[in-house]
Amino acid sequence: GAVVSQHPSWVICKSGTSVKIECRSLDFQATTMFWYRQFPKQSLMLMATSNEGSKATYEQGVEKDKFLINHASLTLSTLTVTSAHPEDSSFYICSARERTDYEQYFGPGTRLTVT
Amino acid sequence: GQNIDQPTEMTATEGAIVQINCTYQTSGFNGLFWYQQHAGEAPTFLSYNVLDGLEEKGRFSSFLSRSKGYSYLLLKELQMKDSASYLCVIMDSNYQLIWGAGTKLIIKP
Repeated sequence: GAVVSQHPSWVICKSGTSVKIECRSLDFQATTMFWYRQFPKQSLMLMATSNEGSKATYEQGVEKDKFLINHASLTLSTLTVTSAHPEDSSFYICSARERTDYEQYFGPGTRLTVT
Repeated sequence: GQNIDQPTEMTATEGAIVQINCTYQTSGFNGLFWYQQHAGEAPTFLSYNVLDGLEEKGRFSSFLSRSKGYSYLLLKELQMKDSASYLCVIMDSNYQLIWGAGTKLIIKP
């Protein structure tokens, strides 16, 4: 089956610093990648949708200048949390979809803790 | 508006059968997914229904009635490892996923 990886799997950073999370589709071309955030005991919340080679579409309430998304190739998307604050601590999950496939394949997630 | 309702928590006994219901109201419909999510992990795909009826896959079955805006996930021969959250997810007319809050299933020996 299709495999999506994320790196790092967990990260601890200090308030005010920036953190980059990578999402890679390992054995397929992901024309669309999705970034989700999940707080404890809550469902996944879609942050943004990115299509390869174009700007990401952010959901309402998600600051595009704070959460920078780059989808430069068909196998890689990155999410950069800029000037992180403790309230940004969360579980960030990416997923990817092939052009012809309805299913989204999820990465294992990245747990971010901002101290 | 868009709304997905599923019970917050359910408890069942190992070896038994449990049915998790989901009702929805969304703008457009391009299918319904069920995902399983263990604590601290990403969701894993269980099933996809786009036509009315029952889809069976091993111990898990998923049913859809589009006219009623209703689906259920049926888990048979429950095992302790089935303890997880089960998420009902709708794909809307723009092919975006709308996530339910999930049902936490607790399996007791």
